[in-house]
Amino acid sequence: QKEVEQDPGPLSVPEGAIVSLNCTYSNSAFQYFMWYRQYSRKGPELLMYTYSSGNKEDGRFTAQVDKSSKYISLFIRDSQPSDSATYLCAMTDTGNQFYFGTGTSLTVIP
Amino acid sequence: ETGVTQTPRHLVMGMTNKKSLKCEQHLGHNAMYWYKQSAKKPLELMFVYSLEERVENNSVPSRFSPECPNSSHLFLHLHTLQPEDSALYLCASSQGLAGGRKTQYFGPGTRLLVL
Repeated sequence: QKEVEQDPGPLSVPEGAIVSLNCTYSNSAFQYFMWYRQYSRKGPELLMYTYSSGNKEDGRFTAQVDKSSKYISLFIRDSQPSDSATYLCAMTDTGNQFYFGTGTSLTVIP
Repeated sequence: ETGVTQTPRHLVMGMTNKKSLKCEQHLGHNAMYWYKQSAKKPLELMFVYSLEERVENNSVPSRFSPECPNSSHLFLHLHTLQPEDSALYLCASSQGLAGGRKTQYFGPGTRLLVL
């Protein structure tokens, strides 16, 4: 079983839609959760960082962590064509290892 | 320069060549990382350095040799690579290795093709 599971998509939505991206994980020791956005031919860019369970909001982006279900989500409101990218979830425990999902490819159609 | 920079951005090499990838971070961070990103696979952590000391080496073949001369610079020396080593190599840095200081910032990557 993979440490982190993420639906690779591709996901295609119209401009203005609410986008929901998700990851599940198997290791209950994970405490730190991150979402990265990666444009084609670029490195990943940190979008959101969350510690333990709960919600965090930053502009049009909301990150949710449900540790009891081992499930994390990223919501994008009022999606824009510039949001078209691959979204990577990542998580870690107290050690030096980081675990990434395979990424979900998102296209927002004008 | 700001953030994390990597050179070269693209590299083509034969299996008998020796080349080096360079990473520089301008964020005042103390930890640096090398990752391999292949199509449809999760990022693979290769090496972790904290305060210029290697703290993780994830069973990476010896044909990859990292070097961290100071907290701002990280190199990946490549020697007798295989075609399956073709990938995007990403460098990242973080403030440290504890708690929220582990949040990583990535460079743009070096796209490597081994012929």
